[in-house]
Amino acid sequence: DIQMTQSPSSVSASVGDRVIITCRASQGISTWLAWYQQKPGEAPKLLIYAASTLQSGVPSRFSGSGSGTDFALTISSLQPEDFATYYCQQTDTSPITFGQGTRLEIK
Amino acid sequence: DVQLVESGGGLVQPGGSLRLSCSISEFSVSSNSMFWVRQPPGKGLAWVSTLYKSDLTFYADSVKGRFTISRDNSQNILYLQMSSLRADDTAVYYCAGATLGDYLNYWGQGALVTVSS
Repeated sequence: DIQMTQSPSSVSASVGDRVIITCRASQGISTWLAWYQQKPGEAPKLLIYAASTLQSGVPSRFSGSGSGTDFALTISSLQPEDFATYYCQQTDTSPITFGQGTRLEIK
Repeated sequence: DVQLVESGGGLVQPGGSLRLSCSISEFSVSSNSMFWVRQPPGKGLAWVSTLYKSDLTFYADSVKGRFTISRDNSQNILYLQMSSLRADDTAVYYCAGATLGDYLNYWGQGALVTVSS
């Protein structure tokens, strides 16, 4: 199975900050990668797919980059509603696998 | 608006069985890829099973031979039949649909399954 490793596991930041979360795959996955946001008690929400394509309705402060084994999710200017847990997911090879999550907390 | 609503969760003893249902509106269960994803309490997301519109099914190794994914096209419902349940199957189970490959762009609210004596 392809292992997805996110860094950091948790991060504290302030409103207006720029935050970067990284995701590394244990083998190359081209751009078969998605990012999800999950708030407590809610289902995950798709933010970005194909590594860098913004899902419809997602604010443009979210962006994704990378290919192969190294990927990043960037939030350009944190808003209060962005404090949540973020997961990467690879869809290159079955089984689909997720990263362990990155918890974004208010500083 | 697309809606996915899970039901059928609850408390079950180890070794028991349970069937989850996911009722779907404004999104065809037969024309799209459908998934079950679970999340143990306080932990991350784990893929469980996939049912493609071609009827091809896939399962995580941890549930293979114990869980079965299926659908009712006429009722537009996705199912997950779970048997020989174990304590480590305890989780919130989400049904999800994909119109973009295997990227999960529609999710239900989740159903909690607790396996305990």
